[in-house]
Amino acid sequence: EPEVTQTPSHQVTQMGQEVILRCVPISNHLYFYWYRQILGQKVEFLVSFYNNEISEKSEIFDDQFSVERPDGSNFTLKIRSTKLEDSAMYFCASSETTGLVGYTFGSGTRLTVV
Amino acid sequence: GENVEQHPSTLSVQEGDSAVIKCTYSDSASNYFPWYKQELGKGPQLIIDIRSNVGEKKDQRIAVTLNKTAKHFSLHITETQPEDSAVYFCAAPNYGGSQGNLIFGKGTKLSVKP
Repeated sequence: EPEVTQTPSHQVTQMGQEVILRCVPISNHLYFYWYRQILGQKVEFLVSFYNNEISEKSEIFDDQFSVERPDGSNFTLKIRSTKLEDSAMYFCASSETTGLVGYTFGSGTRLTVV
Repeated sequence: GENVEQHPSTLSVQEGDSAVIKCTYSDSASNYFPWYKQELGKGPQLIIDIRSNVGEKKDQRIAVTLNKTAKHFSLHITETQPEDSAVYFCAAPNYGGSQGNLIFGKGTKLSVKP
């Protein structure tokens, strides 16, 4: 079964540093998403992306965050100047169509900011 | 925007018993309701979903019911097994943007005791 692949599985970074989280969506999917889950809390929407541009972003997704599809397969989330409160699981998801059906999540990257 | 409430936050059952998790949503225009299972250290995995044009959907031991009038939907797991132990999230769509995204409930930690 096709999978969404995320790397690394765990990233430890010092406060103030920049991190890039990487995702390889399912190959025929066109719609991409990043979600965040702080430990013990619910999954929260960050940003959606289609046709090389952001479709929608939440209040969490401020100027500290950016997304990019640098090539035909990768989808990245960059967090500049990380803060302690950025520590969370970050999940990438992709879907073939709009309407959210067939949404597939990756296994996540656990980001720890120290 | 959409708001999703999920109950209970924890649920403990004996193996073989049934488990029921309930969610309510706020946007009467919502038309798609997925349920995700999240095991420790993994991303959410879709286990069943329902569209608003049906009232119930079954897949082996799992079923979802939808009451559009009351704006609530429930996950039913029958003959529970220890491997059903996980955190379960309901979700509803937020079509605020062109692409839409999912709004998750806070999750239910299900423990199935052998």
